[in-house]
Amino acid sequence: KQEVTQIPAALSVPEGENLVLNCSFTDSAIYNLQWFRQDPGKGLTSLLLIQSSQREQTSGRLNASLDKSSGRSTLYIAASQPGDSATYLCAAHDPFNFGNEKLTFGTGTRLTIIP
Amino acid sequence: DTEVTQTPKHLVMGMTNKKSLKCEQHMGHRAMYWYKQKAKKPPELMFVYSYEKLSINESVPSRFSPECPNSSLLNLHLHALQPEDSALYLCASSQVETGEQFFGPGTRLTVL
Repeated sequence: KQEVTQIPAALSVPEGENLVLNCSFTDSAIYNLQWFRQDPGKGLTSLLLIQSSQREQTSGRLNASLDKSSGRSTLYIAASQPGDSATYLCAAHDPFNFGNEKLTFGTGTRLTIIP
Repeated sequence: DTEVTQTPKHLVMGMTNKKSLKCEQHMGHRAMYWYKQKAKKPPELMFVYSYEKLSINESVPSRFSPECPNSSLLNLHLHALQPEDSALYLCASSQVETGEQFFGPGTRLTVL
C-alpha cells in the first residue's frame, strides 16, 4: 500500500527566502505526482503535475522535481512571499486507475512566510 | 476555465434531515470525485465517477449516496448523518489525458 510522507509538518521562513518542501513515497510505481496548496477552510489548488515520464515541472516561482527511483519529490519556492502561506500537499497517482485517478495524499506541510 | 463549483458553501443539518451537495464543472472532464476532509487531515476519497458511471466506492456508509446526472454534474445525497460526518466535502474532476485533478472550494457540513 502506498504511503506518502511530508516532512516537516510545519515550516516558518522569512519573506524573500527560497525554500524546499519534501515529499516521500514508498511505492515507486506511481503514475503522476501532483502538488497542491490549501488555504484554511478552502479547497485544494493544483500547483503542478509531474507526469511519470517527466522529472520536473515549473510554473512561475515554483519548481517541482520527481525521482521515482528514490521515491522523492520536492517543491522549490523561490523568493517566498506572505501570500505563499498555506498548507502544501503532495499526492501520488495510483498507476492502476488511469482515468479514475486514485490519489494517495501526504499529510501536508504548513508553510508560514514571515513578513 | 479550470473551475469546479460547489453548492452550498455551508450546510447545517440535523441527524434526521435529508440534504444534497452539488458540484459542477464545465471543463469537459470525464472523471469526477467526492472527498471528505477532517480538520488538519488530507482529503479521503469517497467516490469516483468515470464517464458518468460509479467506478470507485471506498466503502462509504450508505447514508451517503452519490449521483452523476450528466457529465458536468455530481451530487451527494445525505440522509441520517451522524455528528462525526461533520467535515469539509470536496468535489474534484480530472482530465483524461493527464489525470490532473482540480478541486472545488468545498462544502462545510455540520451535523447536529
